Amino acid sequence: KQEVTQIPAALSVPEGENLVLNCSFTDSAIYNLQWFRQDPGKGLTSLLLIQSSQREQTSGRLNASLDKSSGRSTLYIAASQPGDSATYLCAVKDLGGYNKLIFGAGTRLAVHP
Amino acid sequence: NAGVMQNPRHLVRRRGQEARLRCSPMKGHSHVYWYRQLPEEGLKFMVYLQKENIIDESGMPKERFSAEFPKEGPSILRIQQVVRGDSAAYFCASSPEGGGYGYTFGSGTRLTVV
Repeated sequence: KQEVTQIPAALSVPEGENLVLNCSFTDSAIYNLQWFRQDPGKGLTSLLLIQSSQREQTSGRLNASLDKSSGRSTLYIAASQPGDSATYLCAVKDLGGYNKLIFGAGTRLAVHP
Repeated sequence: NAGVMQNPRHLVRRRGQEARLRCSPMKGHSHVYWYRQLPEEGLKFMVYLQKENIIDESGMPKERFSAEFPKEGPSILRIQQVVRGDSAAYFCASSPEGGGYGYTFGSGTRLTVV
């Protein structure tokens, strides 16, 4: 049974720092991995999608890497800003079975000025 | 392109009442998924539907919960005889096919049972 873990659970940093958020999954037989952002009381915004055949994806100040064999993904945020404050969720879609995402519990990020 | 539309945004029900949550997928998307987020927890899969078909309901509670995606109209998640433990945020997602190119989520319906 696939399980997704995110570390750390919470992070508070000053503005301008470069950050690394970690995601690990127990079954490497994944189809893809998606990073989302969730603001308090709001829905999910997709940030990056990495297919199992890819090693990384980049969008602006965000870079996500995938090491399928070790069951890990990292989300790198460069030059953090207060507007980056949110909960970041990692989710995997398994190979086989039906189409659904398995989510981690998230990393709650606070960037203070 | 309006995205995934969920309504209502907030819903308050008394214990024992019925809750109906609606989801209109993105234009061109024929696959719909429902997830539940309990307070301070991650999102948990509930059900996956295509038009007029339930494909996977492995995450649905066995009683009181049902879902449909009719040929016309939005997908509906129905919770009968709600209890306080049903209070949560319910999110709908859609995809054009089986999620190989990712999923788009709606803003959610926050259900409060009083």
